[in-house]
Amino acid sequence: NAGVMQNPRHLVRRRGQEARLRCSPMKGHSHVYWYRQLPEEGLKFMVYLQKENIIDESGMPKERFSAEFPKEGPSILRIQQVVRGDSAAYFCASSPSQAGYTFGSGTRLTVV
Amino acid sequence: GDSVTQMEGPVTLSEEAFLTINCTYTATGYPSLFWYVQYPGEGLQLLLKATKADDKGSNKGFEATYRKETTSFHLEKGSVQVSDSAVYFCALSRDQGGSEKLVFGKGTKLTVNP
Repeated sequence: NAGVMQNPRHLVRRRGQEARLRCSPMKGHSHVYWYRQLPEEGLKFMVYLQKENIIDESGMPKERFSAEFPKEGPSILRIQQVVRGDSAAYFCASSPSQAGYTFGSGTRLTVV
Repeated sequence: GDSVTQMEGPVTLSEEAFLTINCTYTATGYPSLFWYVQYPGEGLQLLLKATKADDKGSNKGFEATYRKETTSFHLEKGSVQVSDSAVYFCALSRDQGGSEKLVFGKGTKLTVNP
């Protein structure tokens, strides 16, 4: 049973480009959480999704960031018009219900 | 709002030394408390957890006790190994309308020397 799969592991974007981060939850998990880890910081909650629904997006920046978890396929975190301050590690976690997270290995985004 | 404060690192110990990493929290109600470990270049792994006051979580020789009176969840290990070198995060969660998002401390980097 594969764990939470995130890709790409590393992503480099120039300022102004779009970044798309993918997260495939563990088999049977229908809850997905996205977190961002800035350098030398702990993880900060961004968004919580269930299939086809955004449940809690209280941690998402108001502009340029969006997330989805379609009926089929991975969850996607999308960052439009990236800026240097978006450089961070983005972690996805999944759970089968409302308890017991499993984290992926993260996507490290570098904006140049 | 909810917050977690943990001792700042880095912490450097010799093998077989005793480890304590302090963690205190601020939250309304009765949160669940967690310790996660992050090895270089990897995601977070749950180390241990406690869901109510006076519970003790334990795993791989690590322990932490949920102390409501002092709002603390300090991580301890009696004899550390080189393989314990990692970043340790204290975290809490509260069920808020079905969302169990985690609130993390800033992390404490532990280096264990042979």
